[in-house]
Amino acid sequence: GDSVTQMEGPVTLSEEAFLTINCTYTATGYPSLFWYVQYPGEGLQLLLKATKADDKGSNKGFEATYRKETTSFHLEKGSVQVSDSAVYFCALSPGGGTSYGKLTFGQGTILTVHP
Amino acid sequence: EPEVTQTPSHQVTQMGQEVILRCVPISNHLYFYWYRQILGQKVEFLVSFYNNEISEKSEIFDDQFSVERPDGSNFTLKIRSTKLEDSAMYFCASSVGATGNTIYFGEGSWLTVV
Repeated sequence: GDSVTQMEGPVTLSEEAFLTINCTYTATGYPSLFWYVQYPGEGLQLLLKATKADDKGSNKGFEATYRKETTSFHLEKGSVQVSDSAVYFCALSPGGGTSYGKLTFGQGTILTVHP
Repeated sequence: EPEVTQTPSHQVTQMGQEVILRCVPISNHLYFYWYRQILGQKVEFLVSFYNNEISEKSEIFDDQFSVERPDGSNFTLKIRSTKLEDSAMYFCASSVGATGNTIYFGEGSWLTVV
């Protein structure tokens, strides 16, 4: 079945450092890929998405590129802020129709940014 | 911004009791979902619901689980006879459509079975 693997956390960075959180996936067909973020005390929020190979999703300074050849969707940000401290989840949707909402999640990566 | 709301935020129940978790999806959304996250584990899909019927369900979603949209606004998850291993955070989610649409999640309901 489908699976998503994220780099082990937690990740601790200083403000303005470069962030990479690795995500690789296994899926049949043409999945869509997502990064969700969960801030303390809140629900999962969509950060960015990509629906086909070579698409780049971006939002709030975060970017991720859908790489079919390496089955990866790594999250990057050039300069993190304290307010980026949260749990980040990589996820995939298997495809269209009724299966679209059947997301498979990675284990989540806790990011802590210090001033 | 519209949001998915869930109640209760936390519930403690005795093993064997029935539990109903409630969700109010975003008002113009047509697709509804339940996920759960056992402490320390991944977020797992339970069920999707569209047009007043289940469209997909996982192997976790066995006969002790049921979902219902009793009126035009609520979407509920019922666990008929809770077990210790049902202790988890349960997330409700909704989307306006299927392919390509953003799936919006609630803040979750934390269920503790004792």
